[in-house]
Amino acid sequence: DVKVTQSSRYLVKRTGEKVFLECVQDMDHENMFWYRQDPGLGLRLIYFSYDVKMKEKGDIPEGYSVSREKKERFSLILESASTNQTSMYLCASSLGDFYNEQFFGPGTRLTVL
Amino acid sequence: GESVGLHLPTLSVQEGDNSIINCAYSNSASDYFIWYKQESGKGPQFIIDIRSNMDKRQGQRVTVLLNKTVKHLSLQIAATQPGDSAVYFCAENWVNRDDKIIFGKGTRLHILP
Repeated sequence: DVKVTQSSRYLVKRTGEKVFLECVQDMDHENMFWYRQDPGLGLRLIYFSYDVKMKEKGDIPEGYSVSREKKERFSLILESASTNQTSMYLCASSLGDFYNEQFFGPGTRLTVL
Repeated sequence: GESVGLHLPTLSVQEGDNSIINCAYSNSASDYFIWYKQESGKGPQFIIDIRSNMDKRQGQRVTVLLNKTVKHLSLQIAATQPGDSAVYFCAENWVNRDDKIIFGKGTRLHILP
């Protein structure tokens, strides 16, 4: 079974802090994704990556950056956390090549005070 | 508690009855569709998928129906059980959109005892 893990289930940070959210998948998937999930807004794509060192902006990249130094790991970075970044963050991975079912991690609930 | 389900349409079904969850997708060029289930406090989990060259696909207790004429997708769950309580998302993808997926807003399924 594909396993996607996220470094924290719950995280509380202060405004202005730099925040790192880590995601690891163990199935050698090419693609990895970061979403945020908010009530009434559904899942919104922040960034995604097709390969190591590659990244593409999603629908809401402002205030975020990402890093993919190894195939299995995809990090989401909040350069200077703000209260409107309080959300549930979900990481996903997929095999690619049109078989693009995405496998999700358990999520990180981030609260920015 | 889980806040992702706030402001979502809710379907209430008696335990043991069949459930039908509907989804209108946005792009007539979409050629791959997925249903996800998200339980409280967890990431979305793949249920079943269907490609545009099919109009019906069956899994264990679940059936997905695709009507391309009206851009409509439905998920049928047979003999609904308490464990089926969750938020259900449809998702679509189309060639030339790489491996990104567009998610619907979701429907909460509530099982009545």
